[in-house]
Amino acid sequence: DARVTQTPRHKVTEMGQEVTMRCQPILGHNTVFWYRQTMMQGLELLAYFRNRAPLDDSGMPKDRFSAEMPDATLATLKIQPSEPRDSAVYFCASGLDPNPDYEQYFGPGTRLTVT
Amino acid sequence: AQRVTQPEKLLSVFKGAPVELKCNYSYSGSPELFWYVQYSRQRLQLLLRHISRESIKGFTADLNKGETSFHLKKPFAQEEDSAMYYCALYRPFGGKLIFGQGTELSVKP
Repeated sequence: DARVTQTPRHKVTEMGQEVTMRCQPILGHNTVFWYRQTMMQGLELLAYFRNRAPLDDSGMPKDRFSAEMPDATLATLKIQPSEPRDSAVYFCASGLDPNPDYEQYFGPGTRLTVT
Repeated sequence: AQRVTQPEKLLSVFKGAPVELKCNYSYSGSPELFWYVQYSRQRLQLLLRHISRESIKGFTADLNKGETSFHLKKPFAQEEDSAMYYCALYRPFGGKLIFGQGTELSVKP
């Protein structure tokens, strides 16, 4: 049963530190998405890739966030420097596009706490 | 602009009562809509898609193009239905899903 994996599952860090979150999409999927989930904002799309090329990162604060796909099996989301307001759960999802039964498969999330 | 609106942040019902989670969308083309569910501290997962016209765990959702709605319904809520529910609109050419704000469903015994 193929699943999206994310590491770390939990991260506590101090303000100003660099945070790197990793995602392994399902093998064969060509789209990868990064979301942030908070109580106030719900689920926000930060960035997404198709065939490893960034398609849209307009939801991401550019000055401190960056997203990359160094290869087809790894996507990273980096925050530098981190701030308390970045505390949230970060989800990665992958999918196939085009696909009439399109579905995104979500990872378990990384729960980030910035103190 | 493409948008999904879930007007209720929290919906609380008693076990056995009917449930309706509201979803309205804004989209100029022919929409493809989904409901995703997230049980406590678990990953989001697809609950149902409108093109399948299926019933999953007793839930159904009908697309109403006139009212631009895709409400999720269940006639008799169960405690295990307590979760966060997200309505989502599929945007082609990139495969992006536009999510609503989510509705937390709480089913009390």
